[in-house]
Amino acid sequence: KAGVTQTPRYLIKTRGQQVTLSCSPISGHRSVSWYQQTPGQGLQFLFEYFSETQRNKGNFPGRFSGRQFSNSRSEMNVSTLELGDSALYLCASSLSTIHEQYFGPGTRLTVT
Amino acid sequence: AQTVTQSQPEMSVQEAETVTLSCTYDTSESDYYLFWYKQPPSRQMILVIRQEAYKQQNATENRFSVNFQKAAKSFSLKISDSQLGDAAMYFCAYRSADNDMRFGAGTRLTVKP
Repeated sequence: KAGVTQTPRYLIKTRGQQVTLSCSPISGHRSVSWYQQTPGQGLQFLFEYFSETQRNKGNFPGRFSGRQFSNSRSEMNVSTLELGDSALYLCASSLSTIHEQYFGPGTRLTVT
Repeated sequence: AQTVTQSQPEMSVQEAETVTLSCTYDTSESDYYLFWYKQPPSRQMILVIRQEAYKQQNATENRFSVNFQKAAKSFSLKISDSQLGDAAMYFCAYRSADNDMRFGAGTRLTVKP
């Protein structure tokens, strides 16, 4: 079974721009979660989707949004990028919202 | 809010020895799940072991085992016969029944040859 894939793997953007990251879960997994990982703040939960519905949301500003498609693929969008948004963005999928999560390799976003 | 605390930012162990990584959590829930994840340098995060709170028996996966103390809200990871490939950042994670997922700050494990 193929693992969780994330595209792109690396991204450089400038302040004020917006960015869209993509995540394809493991086949059969219906839950997708997004995390932001930084050296200072560690792993912080962004949001979780299950069957195209947002089930849970972390404490991030409204500039961070996401969605899930009927094939369980998910995208997250960050608008009006700030320098502090530079981070590794991890996507994780699971069979359901109570099962263990399997992580993708991440998208490293650099905002200049 | 549930919090997960890993009090050891860094640990080191000699190859072939045993090391224990600590994790405590705070929750008022009775039904939840606990996990240990491993993130090798510049590599993908992978699941090491999982424990359901309703199970009294400690989970074991090959050289990895946990000591789950529900009353004390403690969930430590023991790595036996440590190998060089065990060097990584280890994260303890808590997932509530209503899907709230929290991670600890991580413990960086160094394995000395």
